[in-house]
Amino acid sequence: DSGVTQTPKHLITATGQRVTLRCSPRSGDLSVYWYQQSLDQGLQFLIQYYNGEERAKGNILERFSAQQFPDLHSELNLSSLELGDSALYFCASSVDPGQFYEQYFGPGTRLTVT
Amino acid sequence: AQSVTQLGSHVSVSEGALVLLRCNYSSSVPPYLFWYVQYPNQGLQLLLKYTTGATLVKGINGFEAEFKKSETSFHLTKPSAHMSDAAEYFCAVSGYQAGTALIFGKGTTLSVSS
Repeated sequence: DSGVTQTPKHLITATGQRVTLRCSPRSGDLSVYWYQQSLDQGLQFLIQYYNGEERAKGNILERFSAQQFPDLHSELNLSSLELGDSALYFCASSVDPGQFYEQYFGPGTRLTVT
Repeated sequence: AQSVTQLGSHVSVSEGALVLLRCNYSSSVPPYLFWYVQYPNQGLQLLLKYTTGATLVKGINGFEAEFKKSETSFHLTKPSAHMSDAAEYFCAVSGYQAGTALIFGKGTTLSVSS
């Protein structure tokens, strides 16, 4: 158990819909990362927050957005969903955004868009 | 830009045999390198990491990796495979244009037969 929690574990929804994925980092970790894992694209970095502020953006679509709240939990919002958005979405946390700090991964949310 | 190439999407070994998973990286700056393992239906767990210092890095579960700058490689090895090692393994490099997200290779699935 990494200490990072993600809800829900599974999500099935239809095209065009909007969903919210939630992540609670390990106690004491200030930095949160979101990654998408799909069969064709592999593991891709989406976005990073540090202490409530957006720190870096990766291959995140404009239809996706995220935020980190004062209690440090984070939410990833996916809208106008397409079939291609079906993937496993991971949240990871680290104590600091520095390069050499270990990122602890949650169990993921599996999103299926039908 | 940084990138990671994992040679061989699938490696099969017998129980007790040497495990060798290959990883080559590309980086214009000194890299920080990681190996993660993903068991079925689980998140990623850090096996080991190289930041600075000793180039031979020991990790959990008997795995180790050697950073070879001249070969831009960070191959993962284990002297004797165990059935429980069957999983997917990801090599990653940290450092991104604006943050410290991990850039992952495509992954290598390790199968262990008895």
